Amino acid sequence: DSGVTQTPKHLITATGQRVTLRCSPRSGDLSVYWYQQSLDQGLQFLIQYYNGEERAKGNILERFSAQQFPDLHSELNLSSLELGDSALYFCASSSSPVDTEAFFGQGTRLTVV
Amino acid sequence: SQQGEEDPQALSIQEGENATMNCSYKTSINNLQWYRQNSGRGLVHLILIRSNEREKHSGRLRVTLDTSKKSSSLLITASRAADTASYFCATLGQAGTALIFGKGTTLSVSS
Repeated sequence: DSGVTQTPKHLITATGQRVTLRCSPRSGDLSVYWYQQSLDQGLQFLIQYYNGEERAKGNILERFSAQQFPDLHSELNLSSLELGDSALYFCASSSSPVDTEAFFGQGTRLTVV
Repeated sequence: SQQGEEDPQALSIQEGENATMNCSYKTSINNLQWYRQNSGRGLVHLILIRSNEREKHSGRLRVTLDTSKKSSSLLITASRAADTASYFCATLGQAGTALIFGKGTTLSVSS
């Protein structure tokens, strides 16, 4: 158990809908990362937060947004969903944005139908 | 965008053999990390090597880093069936920007 909790584990939704994925980092970790993993694109970095502030942005679509709350949990919002958004979404946390390992949650499997 | 690229994409070996995976990256790094992922599960951190280190060991794992060639290798000695998984390298840029992963090597160890 990594200590990172992601909910829900599975999500099935229709095209055009909006969903929210939630992540609770390990106790004490200030940095949260979001990744998307699909068969054809591999593990794509989406966005990183550190202590409530956005620190780095990757290949995150404009239809996607995220935030980190004062209690350090994070949410990833996906809107106007398309079939191609079907993927595993991982959250990871670390104590520092540099020089430390990241701990991954078990992921949320999103299926858009 | 992918920073690291693993090679080979897939590797099949017998139990007891050694497995070597390579990773190449493009820009200067702060550190390089290796992770393991069992099918459909979360990634698990294996080892971190800093840019000023050349080699690191952890149990049956040996990692090397050559910053002049922008490459790293992961050696798993005496492989077991339980080592069957995908292995990813990830790099952290010198600016401390996010951990960027390669596409991974899928290792299959048969008994």
